[in-house]
Amino acid sequence: DAGITQSPRHKVTETGTPVTLRCHQTENHRYMYWYRQDPGHGLRLIHYSYGVKDTDKGEVSDGYSVSRSKTEDFLLTLESATSSQTSVYFCAITAGGGWGYTFGSGTRLTVV
Amino acid sequence: AQSVTQLGSHVSVSEGALVLLRCNYSSSVPPYLFWYVQYPNQGLQLLLKYTSAATLVKGINGFEAEFKKSETSFHLTKPSAHMSDAAEYFCAVRTNTGNQFYFGTGTSLTVIP
Repeated sequence: DAGITQSPRHKVTETGTPVTLRCHQTENHRYMYWYRQDPGHGLRLIHYSYGVKDTDKGEVSDGYSVSRSKTEDFLLTLESATSSQTSVYFCAITAGGGWGYTFGSGTRLTVV
Repeated sequence: AQSVTQLGSHVSVSEGALVLLRCNYSSSVPPYLFWYVQYPNQGLQLLLKYTSAATLVKGINGFEAEFKKSETSFHLTKPSAHMSDAAEYFCAVRTNTGNQFYFGTGTSLTVIP
């Protein structure tokens, strides 16, 4: 009963191919986020969502798009993967207010 | 804009010694502050949070942090390090006017037996 799951956990893909990562929550939280984690950079926000069909860009959104057609699912798409997008991707959810984030277990993506 | 600075990307302490991980934030309004811990190959777990109640906040695993507005700091401490504390620690800030979190670049804690 993790409340938030990411799939796949690991993926290797070739440069130029599209890739979609999925974040699924069972908490009915309004807010969902995609981060990437790279050594020396901490976590950087890619995109976030305040509700169904309500999304916005974070600080490193170039090359990424998102969709949220249902409260429980937040999809991150790399339209044409590049080697610079090799990273660990984390999804996070929050109920807002003083609540912290709950993080998924991450997706390790390697673009070769 | 919000930002978080974690001083020291790597900290080593002996088992049983004091742990001190530093975090300074910049915020024009009183923030919410958080510490997260990440064990190898895992996601981030919430250690503790400050939300404008008591300035000294106690978290899990014996950690605590003190909010000092005059110093814009939220340093994480633990009186006695345990081997199981070896992990990466992230400080994060969020203002009460938005729902985005801003993370520091992390501090990797090594505990020496």
